[in-house]
Amino acid sequence: EPEVTQTPSHQVTQMGQEVILRCVPISNHLYFYWYRQILGQKVEFLVSFYNNEISEKSEIFDDQFSVERPDGSNFTLKIRSTKLEDSAMYFCASREGGNQPQHFGDGTRLSIL
Amino acid sequence: SQQGEEDPQALSIQEGENATMNCSYKTSINNLQWYRQNSGRGLVHLILIRSNEREKHSGRLRVTLDTSKKSSSLLITASRAADTASYFCATDKDYKLSFGAGTTVTVRA
Repeated sequence: EPEVTQTPSHQVTQMGQEVILRCVPISNHLYFYWYRQILGQKVEFLVSFYNNEISEKSEIFDDQFSVERPDGSNFTLKIRSTKLEDSAMYFCASREGGNQPQHFGDGTRLSIL
Repeated sequence: SQQGEEDPQALSIQEGENATMNCSYKTSINNLQWYRQNSGRGLVHLILIRSNEREKHSGRLRVTLDTSKKSSSLLITASRAADTASYFCATDKDYKLSFGAGTTVTVRA
């Protein structure tokens, strides 16, 4: 069964450094998402992406964050200057179309030192 | 906020028993989805129920939706040790998901 894949599974970065998290959504899906889950807290929506542009973003998704779909398969989340509070599990998800389930990857655990 | 909120927070049952968890939310939705998460792992999609549906089944899972009460329930029948996980409801409005805090289910052998 097709699945969303994320790399790396774990990323350790010094505070202030840039980090890029990578995702390969399911191939025929059109809608792409990033969510995060801080340890012990709820999963939070960050951003949605459709037709090569951001559809919606949350308050968390400030100027330090950006997303890109550089080619036909990858979907990336970049954090320009990481902060300690960016430490979390970051999940990528994709959806085929309206009113369809979102399928999640296994996540990237981001640890900021 | 439209977030779903699950109840109970934790549930411990014997293998073979049924597990029921509930979800309440605040605003209108397109659909409601249930996910499972094993410790430290990703979110596995279990079932989606649309706002015009009242009940759905998938294997040992049964989901109900009452839009008048803004609530949903997930029933896992004949539980197994492998069902031990956290279960989340997520409300879908405008095609982004809002998650609750989850119900942690422990199935004892």
